[in-house]
Amino acid sequence: GENVEQHPSTLSVQEGDSAVIKCTYSDSASNYFPWYKQELGKGPQLIIDIRSNVGEKKDQRIAVTLNKTAKHFSLHITETQPEDSAVYFCAASSGNDMRFGAGTRLTVKP
Amino acid sequence: DTEVTQTPKHLVMGMTNKKSLKCEQHMGHRAMYWYKQKAKKPPELMFVYSYEKLSINESVPSRFSPECPNSSLLNLHLHALQPEDSALYLCASSRIFGGANVLTFGAGSRLTVL
Repeated sequence: GENVEQHPSTLSVQEGDSAVIKCTYSDSASNYFPWYKQELGKGPQLIIDIRSNVGEKKDQRIAVTLNKTAKHFSLHITETQPEDSAVYFCAASSGNDMRFGAGTRLTVKP
Repeated sequence: DTEVTQTPKHLVMGMTNKKSLKCEQHMGHRAMYWYKQKAKKPPELMFVYSYEKLSINESVPSRFSPECPNSSLLNLHLHALQPEDSALYLCASSRIFGGANVLTFGAGSRLTVL
């Protein structure tokens, strides 16, 4: 089955700086890679996703890159704001099997 | 309506109680999921219903009993739980099951078993 590793487990940045979270996956059949943001007391919410036929996708301050050869994908947040503080989960999906990474707690200090 | 609604938000129960968690969506999604999330951990899949039929049961103990009465509703019946079952229980839905389908999560039901 799929195995997803996520790093770092915690990340603290100054407001306005960039944040990068990295994930690796094991199943070469995985073809869908969503990123979820979970704020305190809430369920995970999709913030961006990428499919295996695309190398990069951007939505305002958020971007995701995918390297299928290396089985790596990353989340990039630019111009971070205090409201970006949350736990971020990557996931990798192959057909009916979606696995989450362990999560990254991002703190943006004002 | 783009939400998944879960009730109750909080539930405290004893080990001999019987209770139920409820989930509702009106997005026309035909796949619904139950996840369990312990503190500082990712969600773990418990059950998947596809077109109101149980498609996946991730070896969940029988003290958890899912039910999908119709395409909009999903229940999780709880009986004789253990303290280690205390967790956040998340319901999610997607247009269909499998492939590159976006999961929409509810806010969760926080369960405490005494």
